Amino acid sequence: QQLNQSPQSMFIQEGEDVSMNCTSSSIFNTWLWYKQDPGEGPVLLVTVVTGGEVKKLKRLTFQFGDARKDSSLHITAAQPGDTGLYLCAGASYYGGSQGNLIFGKGTKLSVKP
Amino acid sequence: EAGVTQFPSHSVIEKGQTVTLRCDPISGHDNLYWYRRVMGKEIKFLLHFVKESKQDESGMPNNRFLAERTGGTYSTLKVQPAELEDSGVYFCASSQIHGSSNEQFFGPGTRLTVL
Repeated sequence: QQLNQSPQSMFIQEGEDVSMNCTSSSIFNTWLWYKQDPGEGPVLLVTVVTGGEVKKLKRLTFQFGDARKDSSLHITAAQPGDTGLYLCAGASYYGGSQGNLIFGKGTKLSVKP
Repeated sequence: EAGVTQFPSHSVIEKGQTVTLRCDPISGHDNLYWYRRVMGKEIKFLLHFVKESKQDESGMPNNRFLAERTGGTYSTLKVQPAELEDSGVYFCASSQIHGSSNEQFFGPGTRLTVL
Protein backbone atom coordinates (compact mmCIF):
# COMPACT_ATOMS: atom_id res chain seq x y z
CA GLN A 1 0.00 0.00 0.00
CA GLN A 2 1.28 3.41 -0.91
CA LEU A 3 -0.02 6.96 -0.75
CA ASN A 4 1.07 9.55 -3.30
CA GLN A 5 0.91 13.18 -2.28
CA SER A 6 1.13 16.06 -4.70
CA PRO A 7 2.57 18.52 -5.13
CA GLN A 8 5.78 17.81 -3.24
CA SER A 9 6.19 21.47 -2.29
CA MET A 10 4.45 24.81 -2.80
CA PHE A 11 5.51 28.41 -2.32
CA ILE A 12 2.67 30.95 -2.21
CA GLN A 13 1.91 34.47 -1.04
CA GLU A 14 -0.30 35.23 1.93
CA GLY A 15 -3.93 35.42 0.89
CA GLU A 16 -3.72 32.89 -1.95
CA ASP A 17 -5.74 29.70 -2.09
CA VAL A 18 -3.96 26.36 -2.30
CA SER A 19 -4.92 22.73 -2.87
CA MET A 20 -3.05 19.50 -2.32
CA ASN A 21 -3.97 15.90 -3.05
CA CYS A 22 -3.40 12.41 -1.84
CA THR A 23 -4.13 9.29 -3.91
CA SER A 24 -3.82 5.57 -3.44
CA SER A 25 -4.37 2.39 -5.39
CA SER A 26 -5.91 0.88 -2.24
CA ILE A 27 -9.17 1.62 -0.46
CA PHE A 28 -8.90 2.94 3.09
CA ASN A 29 -11.65 3.04 5.73
CA THR A 30 -10.32 6.31 7.06
CA TRP A 31 -8.17 9.16 5.81
CA LEU A 32 -6.37 11.46 8.20
CA TRP A 33 -4.59 14.74 7.61
CA TYR A 34 -1.75 15.94 9.81
CA LYS A 35 0.35 19.10 9.90
CA GLN A 36 3.95 18.90 11.03
CA ASP A 37 6.17 21.81 11.97
CA PRO A 38 9.97 21.48 11.99
CA GLY A 39 11.27 19.55 15.00
CA GLU A 40 7.81 18.54 16.14
CA GLY A 41 5.51 15.58 15.70
CA PRO A 42 2.54 15.44 13.32
CA VAL A 43 -0.55 17.20 14.68
CA LEU A 44 -3.91 15.73 13.71
CA LEU A 45 -6.07 18.14 11.71
CA VAL A 46 -9.02 16.03 10.65
CA THR A 47 -10.34 12.52 10.13
CA VAL A 48 -12.71 11.58 7.30
CA VAL A 49 -14.46 8.25 7.27
CA THR A 50 -17.26 8.39 4.70
CA GLY A 51 -16.77 8.31 0.92
CA GLY A 52 -17.60 11.70 -0.55
CA GLU A 53 -17.41 13.36 2.88
CA VAL A 54 -16.41 17.02 3.08
CA LYS A 55 -15.21 18.57 6.32
CA LYS A 56 -14.46 22.23 6.95
CA LEU A 57 -12.13 23.46 9.64
CA LYS A 58 -12.08 27.27 9.49
CA ARG A 59 -10.13 28.02 6.28
CA LEU A 60 -9.31 24.37 5.62
CA THR A 61 -11.60 22.09 3.58
CA PHE A 62 -10.99 18.36 3.45
CA GLN A 63 -12.62 15.97 1.02
CA PHE A 64 -12.70 12.18 0.88
CA GLY A 65 -13.12 10.70 -2.57
CA ASP A 66 -16.25 8.69 -3.35
CA ALA A 67 -14.19 5.57 -4.03
CA ARG A 68 -12.18 6.01 -0.82
CA LYS A 69 -8.95 6.06 -2.80
CA ASP A 70 -8.14 9.75 -2.59
CA SER A 71 -8.43 12.81 -0.43
CA SER A 72 -7.76 16.50 -0.88
CA LEU A 73 -7.05 19.52 1.28
CA HIS A 74 -7.90 23.06 0.22
CA ILE A 75 -6.75 26.12 2.14
CA THR A 76 -8.54 29.41 1.55
CA ALA A 77 -6.63 32.67 1.98
CA ALA A 78 -3.48 31.04 3.31
CA GLN A 79 -1.68 32.65 6.24
CA PRO A 80 2.02 32.41 7.22
CA GLY A 81 0.94 30.22 10.12
CA ASP A 82 -0.22 27.63 7.59
CA THR A 83 3.41 27.03 6.65
CA GLY A 84 4.44 23.46 7.36
CA LEU A 85 4.46 19.89 6.12
CA TYR A 86 1.01 18.46 5.42
CA LEU A 87 0.77 14.70 5.68
CA CYS A 88 -2.07 12.46 4.58
CA ALA A 89 -2.50 9.00 6.03
CA GLY A 90 -4.82 6.10 5.36
CA ALA A 91 -6.04 3.54 7.84
CA SER A 92 -7.79 0.22 7.57
CA TYR A 93 -9.30 -2.15 10.09
CA TYR A 94 -8.76 -5.85 10.54
CA GLY A 95 -11.33 -7.81 12.48
CA GLY A 96 -12.40 -4.70 14.35
CA SER A 97 -8.86 -3.87 15.42
CA GLN A 98 -7.47 -0.44 14.68
CA GLY A 99 -4.62 -0.83 12.25
CA ASN A 100 -1.53 1.18 11.53
CA LEU A 101 -1.42 4.30 9.38
CA ILE A 102 0.05 4.43 5.88
CA PHE A 103 1.59 7.84 5.22
CA GLY A 104 2.36 9.86 2.14
CA LYS A 105 5.65 11.76 1.91
CA GLY A 106 3.89 15.04 2.50
CA THR A 107 3.39 18.40 0.82
CA LYS A 108 5.64 21.15 2.10
CA LEU A 109 3.78 24.48 2.09
CA SER A 110 5.52 27.83 2.49
CA VAL A 111 3.37 30.95 2.82
CA LYS A 112 5.18 34.26 2.47
CA PRO A 113 3.80 37.34 4.25
CA GLU B 1 -4.55 16.63 29.33
CA ALA B 2 -0.92 15.81 28.55
CA GLY B 3 -0.10 14.64 25.04
CA VAL B 4 2.20 11.84 23.97
CA THR B 5 5.69 12.38 25.31
CA GLN B 6 8.95 10.89 24.10
CA PHE B 7 12.41 10.74 25.59
CA PRO B 8 15.07 11.62 24.64
CA SER B 9 14.40 14.25 22.00
CA HIS B 10 17.78 13.61 20.40
CA SER B 11 20.31 10.80 20.64
CA VAL B 12 23.68 10.54 18.95
CA ILE B 13 25.44 7.20 19.27
CA GLU B 14 28.17 5.24 17.56
CA LYS B 15 27.57 2.22 15.41
CA GLY B 16 27.39 -0.88 17.56
CA GLN B 17 26.08 0.89 20.64
CA THR B 18 22.69 0.40 22.23
CA VAL B 19 19.96 3.02 22.51
CA THR B 20 16.62 2.89 24.28
CA LEU B 21 13.78 5.21 23.35
CA ARG B 22 10.81 5.80 25.62
CA CYS B 23 7.22 6.75 24.88
CA ASP B 24 4.49 7.75 27.32
CA PRO B 25 1.09 7.64 25.62
CA ILE B 26 -1.92 9.80 26.43
CA SER B 27 -3.46 8.56 29.66
CA GLY B 28 -6.18 6.00 29.00
CA HIS B 29 -5.03 5.18 25.46
CA ASP B 30 -4.61 1.45 25.13
CA ASN B 31 -3.30 1.54 21.56
CA LEU B 32 0.36 2.51 21.21
CA TYR B 33 2.23 2.66 17.91
CA TRP B 34 5.84 3.16 16.91
CA TYR B 35 6.72 4.72 13.57
CA ARG B 36 9.96 5.84 11.95
CA ARG B 37 10.93 8.29 9.25
CA VAL B 38 14.31 7.98 7.61
CA MET B 39 15.63 10.88 5.57
CA GLY B 40 13.78 11.42 2.33
CA LYS B 41 11.19 8.76 3.01
CA GLU B 42 7.66 8.71 4.37
CA ILE B 43 6.77 7.88 7.97
CA LYS B 44 6.57 4.10 8.25
CA PHE B 45 4.89 1.86 10.77
CA LEU B 46 7.02 -0.30 13.07
CA LEU B 47 4.66 -1.94 15.54
CA HIS B 48 1.40 -1.69 17.45
CA PHE B 49 0.61 -2.53 21.07
CA VAL B 50 -2.83 -3.03 22.52
CA LYS B 51 -2.25 -2.60 26.22
CA GLU B 52 0.80 -4.77 26.92
CA SER B 53 0.32 -7.14 23.95
CA LYS B 54 1.96 -6.79 20.56
CA GLN B 55 -0.91 -6.62 18.07
CA ASP B 56 1.20 -6.16 14.95
CA GLU B 57 4.99 -6.03 14.63
CA SER B 58 5.16 -6.51 10.88
CA GLY B 59 7.02 -3.24 10.38
CA MET B 60 9.98 -4.02 12.62
CA PRO B 61 13.08 -3.96 10.39
CA ASN B 62 14.98 -6.82 12.01
CA ASN B 63 15.74 -8.50 15.32
CA ARG B 64 18.02 -5.67 16.44
CA PHE B 65 14.85 -3.81 17.39
CA LEU B 66 13.00 -4.79 20.57
CA ALA B 67 9.86 -3.06 21.82
CA GLU B 68 8.23 -3.57 25.18
CA ARG B 69 5.23 -2.22 27.00
CA THR B 70 5.24 -3.76 30.43
CA GLY B 71 2.08 -3.04 32.39
CA GLY B 72 0.41 -1.51 29.39
CA THR B 73 1.56 2.02 30.16
CA TYR B 74 4.76 3.45 28.72
CA SER B 75 6.73 1.70 26.00
CA THR B 76 10.40 1.37 25.19
CA LEU B 77 12.07 0.68 21.87
CA LYS B 78 15.60 -0.63 22.08
CA VAL B 79 18.03 -0.82 19.19
CA GLN B 80 20.95 -3.17 19.81
CA PRO B 81 23.43 -2.98 18.18
CA ALA B 82 22.68 0.20 16.27
CA GLU B 83 23.65 0.46 12.59
CA LEU B 84 24.07 3.54 10.39
CA GLU B 85 20.79 2.88 8.58
CA ASP B 86 18.88 3.09 11.86
CA SER B 87 19.27 6.88 11.84
CA GLY B 88 16.01 8.74 11.57
CA VAL B 89 13.18 10.16 13.61
CA TYR B 90 11.22 7.70 15.73
CA PHE B 91 7.64 8.67 16.50
CA CYS B 92 5.25 7.22 19.00
CA ALA B 93 1.49 7.58 18.69
CA SER B 94 -1.46 6.52 20.79
CA SER B 95 -5.21 6.14 20.34
CA GLN B 96 -8.22 5.02 22.28
CA ILE B 97 -9.16 1.36 22.18
CA HIS B 98 -12.64 2.03 20.85
CA GLY B 99 -13.84 4.10 17.94
CA SER B 100 -13.85 3.65 14.21
CA SER B 101 -11.84 6.66 13.18
CA ASN B 102 -8.42 5.43 14.36
CA GLU B 103 -7.36 8.92 15.40
CA GLN B 104 -3.74 8.57 16.38
CA PHE B 105 -1.98 11.33 18.32
CA PHE B 106 1.74 11.66 17.84
CA GLY B 107 4.57 12.59 20.13
CA PRO B 108 7.35 15.01 19.16
CA GLY B 109 9.67 12.19 18.11
CA THR B 110 13.19 11.12 18.99
CA ARG B 111 15.85 12.03 16.44
CA LEU B 112 18.41 9.21 16.39
CA THR B 113 21.77 9.68 14.72
CA VAL B 114 24.09 6.70 14.40
CA LEU B 115 27.69 7.63 13.52
